[in-house]
Amino acid sequence: AQRVTQPEKLLSVFKGAPVELKCNYSYSGSPELFWYVQYSRQRLQLLLRHISRESIKGFTADLNKGETSFHLKKPFAQEEDSAMYYCALRKFSGGYNKLIFGAGTRLAVHP
Amino acid sequence: GAGVSQTPSNKVTEKGKYVELRCDPISGHTALYWYRQSLGQGPEFLIYFQGTGAADDSGLPNDRFFAVRPEGSVSTLKIQRTERGDSAVYLCASSSPGSPGEQFFGPGTRLTVL
Repeated sequence: AQRVTQPEKLLSVFKGAPVELKCNYSYSGSPELFWYVQYSRQRLQLLLRHISRESIKGFTADLNKGETSFHLKKPFAQEEDSAMYYCALRKFSGGYNKLIFGAGTRLAVHP
Repeated sequence: GAGVSQTPSNKVTEKGKYVELRCDPISGHTALYWYRQSLGQGPEFLIYFQGTGAADDSGLPNDRFFAVRPEGSVSTLKIQRTERGDSAVYLCASSSPGSPGEQFFGPGTRLTVL
C-alpha cells in the first residue's frame, strides 16, 4: 500500500540552525513526491516537488529511491519558516491524481 | 486571480442532520479534489473529479458521503446522517491539466457534529 511517513510531529530549532524534516514513503513504482506547507492562518500550498529539483525559500529535497526518502533540508532556518510541513506522494502514471499525505511535521524556529 | 473558495468556513450541525459543503475551484482547472483532515493528521483523499465525472471516489468512507460537480466547475460534498466522527476540516483543491500534482487548496470548511 502507498504510505507516507513523517516520524517527527514537532521539530524545534533556533534561528540559523540547519533543518531536516524527514519523509519516508512506501510505493511500488515511480512516485512523484512533494512538500506542501501551511503557514499560520494560511491555506495549504505547494513548496516544492522532486521533479523540479529546485530550491524554494532556501529549502531543497532530494528523492532517494534506495532509502525511499524525500527529506526536506535548509542550511539556516529563519523564524518565518515556522509552519506545518506535509510530505505527499502522487502516483506517476495512468492519470491517477490523488495525493497521499503524511501526518505532518510542525517546524518551530525560535529567535 | 481568485483562488479556490469554500463555503461555509464553519458548519456546526447535530448528529443525524444533512450537510452540504461547497467548493469553487480556480477558473480553468478541470481537476477538483476533496480531502478530509482530522486533528493531528494530514489531508486524507476523498474523491477526485475530472470535469463533471468522478474519476476516483475510492476515499469516500461510506455511502453517507456523496459529491457532485454537475457543470464541471463548482462542486458540492454532501454528507447524510452526520455522525460525530465526521467532524473534521474538509479541504477542496483544484489543479490544471498540465500540472496535476500541483494542487491549489481552499481554506477549508470546519465541520463540527454535536
